[in-house]
Amino acid sequence: NAGVIQTPRHKVTGKGQEATLWCEPISGHSAVFWYRQTIVQGLEFLTYFRNQAPIDDSGMPKERFSAQMPNQSHSTLKIQSTQPQDSAVYLCASSSTGGGTEVFFGKGTRLTVV
Amino acid sequence: AQSVTQPDARVTVSEGASLQLRCKYSSSVTPYLFWYVQYPRQGLQLLLKYYSGDPVVQGVNGFEAEFSKSNSSFHLRKASVHWSDSAVYFCAVSMDSNYQLIWGSGTKLIIKP
Repeated sequence: NAGVIQTPRHKVTGKGQEATLWCEPISGHSAVFWYRQTIVQGLEFLTYFRNQAPIDDSGMPKERFSAQMPNQSHSTLKIQSTQPQDSAVYLCASSSTGGGTEVFFGKGTRLTVV
Repeated sequence: AQSVTQPDARVTVSEGASLQLRCKYSSSVTPYLFWYVQYPRQGLQLLLKYYSGDPVVQGVNGFEAEFSKSNSSFHLRKASVHWSDSAVYFCAVSMDSNYQLIWGSGTKLIIKP
């Protein structure tokens, strides 16, 4: 079990460019989460899929952020027209169904917008 | 709405000493309670979790936490810390582990030699 895999680990983009972050959840897990982590804001929930369906995107900045889960083996987080304030570590996590189960995190993608 | 408070942004402890990291939550019902640890340049890893039963739960690497309904707290403890315990510790709650976790702001643990 390789755990939750996030690629790339580091990404540098120029202001105004697009960034796509990839996540491969643990095989068999039905829930996939995206979080953003910064020194100032801490851990922020972005969005959540269950069985590939979007359940809650209340944490997503509406205008430039989008997330998809086209199949059970991967999810993407896309940021259009990146801004310096988008610089953060983006964490993907997955869990299986059932109450009280553990959420497993990837190592994150560090996005730097210059 | 649920919320989690970790009042100590940073805790410094001598190696071999005991440790307590504080966590208080606000929720209308008892949620699932978690402690996660984040080592440098790593993702978060689960230390332990609680939902019901014995209020003292054991976790990995000698960590334990005690749930107190009356105090709405879920403090993390360790009897004797090691330098490798240096990390950031997060308390989190959830009404359903398949739903979003509500996170505390984290406590950075520094171990003095």
